[in-house]
Amino acid sequence: NAGVTQTPKFRILKIGQSMTLQCTQDMNHNYMYWYRQDPGMGLKLIYYSVGAGITDKGEVPNGYNVSRSTTEDFPLRLELAAPSQTSVYFCASSSSPGGHQPQHFGDGTRLSIL
Amino acid sequence: QKEVEQNSGPLSVPEGAIASLNCTYSDRGSQSFFWYRQYSGKSPELIMSIYSNGDKEDGRFTAQLNKASQYVSLLIRDSQPSDSATYLCAVNRDDKIIFGKGTRLHILP
Repeated sequence: NAGVTQTPKFRILKIGQSMTLQCTQDMNHNYMYWYRQDPGMGLKLIYYSVGAGITDKGEVPNGYNVSRSTTEDFPLRLELAAPSQTSVYFCASSSSPGGHQPQHFGDGTRLSIL
Repeated sequence: QKEVEQNSGPLSVPEGAIASLNCTYSDRGSQSFFWYRQYSGKSPELIMSIYSNGDKEDGRFTAQLNKASQYVSLLIRDSQPSDSATYLCAVNRDDKIIFGKGTRLHILP
């Protein structure tokens, strides 16, 4: 059971570099989410998608971009990495709208910006 | 007022005792409530969901919801060392789920 798969698991970037965090799910879920989690903090929503071709901003979207060309994939792009983006990033998916069903999480990507 | 509030802890509970975790939320329109467990360095794992007022039991876990008081809690009976983790309360708002900062639970052997 693959569920939600995130790559890479770890990455170190230099300030100003760009990268894409990959997320794919094999559960045919329409709803996908990107969160960041800073040390000792809860999860903050960056972007979410309710289906292929549809994305929307969450609480902390600045400095990030997303796309959703297929149901399975929801990549997160950092264009100009900044130290404030050092965090653990989690991708999640859900089968139903309105937050009425729980979210299934990937294992996370630990990103450091130096 | 924060949307989802939890005491950050740590909450220390002797092994075998009942651990009680609490959460309050601000949006009266919320209809779905979740408790996730997160071990250090791992991703959140769903342990309970509750959608209507009252209690919901699953093994050693009981979730309690009081919409009038905007309060949701999680009870863990017969606490085990393996229950030591951070517990995240999550509440829906429209198409999104909003997470609290989590409560760190430490079960004392």
